[in-house]
Amino acid sequence: GENVEQHPSTLSVQEGDSAVIKCTYSDSASNYFPWYKQELGKRPQLIIDIRSNVGEKKDQRIAVTLNKTAKHFSLHITETQPEDSAVYFCAASSGGTSYGKLTFGQGTILTVHP
Amino acid sequence: GAVVSQHPSWVICKSGTSVKIECRSLDFQATTMFWYRQFPKQSLMLMATSNEGSKATYEQGVEKDKFLINHASLTLSTLTVTSAHPEDSSFYICSARDKAKLTEAFFGQGTRLTVV
Repeated sequence: GENVEQHPSTLSVQEGDSAVIKCTYSDSASNYFPWYKQELGKRPQLIIDIRSNVGEKKDQRIAVTLNKTAKHFSLHITETQPEDSAVYFCAASSGGTSYGKLTFGQGTILTVHP
Repeated sequence: GAVVSQHPSWVICKSGTSVKIECRSLDFQATTMFWYRQFPKQSLMLMATSNEGSKATYEQGVEKDKFLINHASLTLSTLTVTSAHPEDSSFYICSARDKAKLTEAFFGQGTRLTVV
């Protein structure tokens, strides 16, 4: 089955700095890669996603890059703000009948210091 | 649109009793729903895939007789934790996939189960 590795496990940055979280996956059939932000006790919130036919996607301060050859994808947050502090999870899915079936990375606790 | 409602939000039960958690898609039909479990400070782990009108598919290591899943309609799946024990205490989250759209699955708000 799919295995997703996520690094780092914790990340501390100053407000205004950039934050980068990296994930690798094992299953070459995976073709959908979402990123979630989760606050304590709440459901994961989709913040950005990318499909395997695209190498990069950007939405305001958030961007995701995908390298299919190397099987890794990264989340980039620029101009971080204290409200960006949360746990971030990457995930992978292989689509088809498995669409929506997600394998999650271990999570990254992001702390943005004012 | 794309609202998934999970109930209850939290529940406390005594060891040995059973607890039922409901997951409803409110504004779309969900052929498939997924059940995840998240222990404190850990990631979400898929427990099972629930398909409308058929038996659920359980991930390796998940006891199907302990975690009963029923998906009787296109808008409702239930997870019953039978003979709950303290080690079953966790955050259980469902997600539902829109039958008409091959897009992301949408998460319910989760259920915090505490077994005492």
